[in-house]
Order: sequence, then structure tokens, then C-alpha cells
Amino acid sequence: AQTVTQSQPEMSVQEAETVTLSCTYDTSESDYYLFWYKQPPSRQMILVIRQEAYKQQNATENRFSVNFQKAAKSFSLKISDSQLGDAAMYFCAYRSLLNTGANSKLTFGKGITLSVRP
Amino acid sequence: DAGVTQSPTHLIKTRGQQVTLRCSPKSGHDTVSWYQQALGQGPQFIFQYYEEEERQRGNFPDRFSGHQFPNYSSELNVNALLLGDSALYLCASSSEQGYTYEQYFGPGTRLTVT
Repeated sequence: AQTVTQSQPEMSVQEAETVTLSCTYDTSESDYYLFWYKQPPSRQMILVIRQEAYKQQNATENRFSVNFQKAAKSFSLKISDSQLGDAAMYFCAYRSLLNTGANSKLTFGKGITLSVRP
Repeated sequence: DAGVTQSPTHLIKTRGQQVTLRCSPKSGHDTVSWYQQALGQGPQFIFQYYEEEERQRGNFPDRFSGHQFPNYSSELNVNALLLGDSALYLCASSSEQGYTYEQYFGPGTRLTVT
């Protein structure tokens, strides 16, 4: 079974600064997807970024980028030019690709609460 | 284009009662997954429905059951409620077509069991 670990329960960043959120995972599979989801106080889980394991290039979405280290099973999220609206809980999630349908559940980490100081 | 919707928003029940939560998937999606999120924790997978059948199930007791309708909407039923069932219940929809591998979440239903 796959596991996802987010060992930092809380982090804080100054507005306009850069912050990195850490995530490690454990799997015996070679093909999978990794995601970062954001959950603001409104509770709606929003997809921030995704990474296909077969791609060596790190994914980037505007101010959000990842550092994907497949051998180390590490998947960190970097937020540049932090904004007040980035304050939320962030979850790292794993999705197997062994079978597109039956194994499409997401396995989440415990999350990290990010606060942004004005 | 409406996203994933869930009802009700909040619900308060008493131990031993039964509850039904509802979910309408994003337009074009045919698969619905349910997750339980305890306070301060990550979501835990309950089960997934596709073509009106339960396709995969997480580590939850039989008190948790579901249904998917021909229009792809879904219900989550919990019988004999326990205090520990208090949580945010999230519904996520996805499509088996196109291999997007992304799940879109609804705003959740906050269930409180007293």
C-alpha cells in the first residue's frame, strides 16, 4: 500500500517571499501521479499542481512549482511571491496508474497549514 | 459549467441515527469518489462508484454504503452513527475518458454526531 507523509504540520511565510512545503511518499510502483491540493477555510479542495512520475521535468503552474525527486520519493511544492490568498491547508496526494479505473483513488498526506504574514 | 455540488452543507445527527449525503458530479464526469476528512487530517478514501456500481472501497465498515444513479449523481449512507463519524465528507468526481487523472472536489458536508 502507498503512504504519503507530510511531516511539517505548520509553516509560515512573509508575503512576497518564497516557501517550500515538503512531502515524501512510499510506493513500489513505477507509474503514478502526484498532486498538491489546496484547502482554504471555505473547505473546497482545489488542485494546485500535478506531476506525472514518468516525466523528469518538474511541473510548474504560475507561482507554483514542484521539486520531484523520484529516486528519493520526494515531492515538494514551492510557492513564489506568496500572497495572502495562499493561506490554506495544503495536501500532497498520490494516485496509482496500475489500473486507470479501479486504482484511481487518491491517498493523501495529513496536510500542512500555511499562514501568510502581511 | 457547474462544478461538484454536495448537499446538505451541514448536518447534526444523534448517535444511532442514519444519514444520507448527496453529490452531483461535474458536468461530463461519470465517476464519483467519497472521502472522509476528520478535523485536522487528510481525506480518507471511503469508496468509488462507476457505472452505478461500487468499484473500489477503502477501510470503512459496512455501515457506510452508497449508490450511484443513472445521471451519475451519488449518495453516501451511514447507518448506526457513532461519535467518531463526525467529519467533513467530501465528494470528488472524475472522468474515465481522456485520462486526465484529476479529481474535482465538492465543498463537502460537515456531519456532527452528538
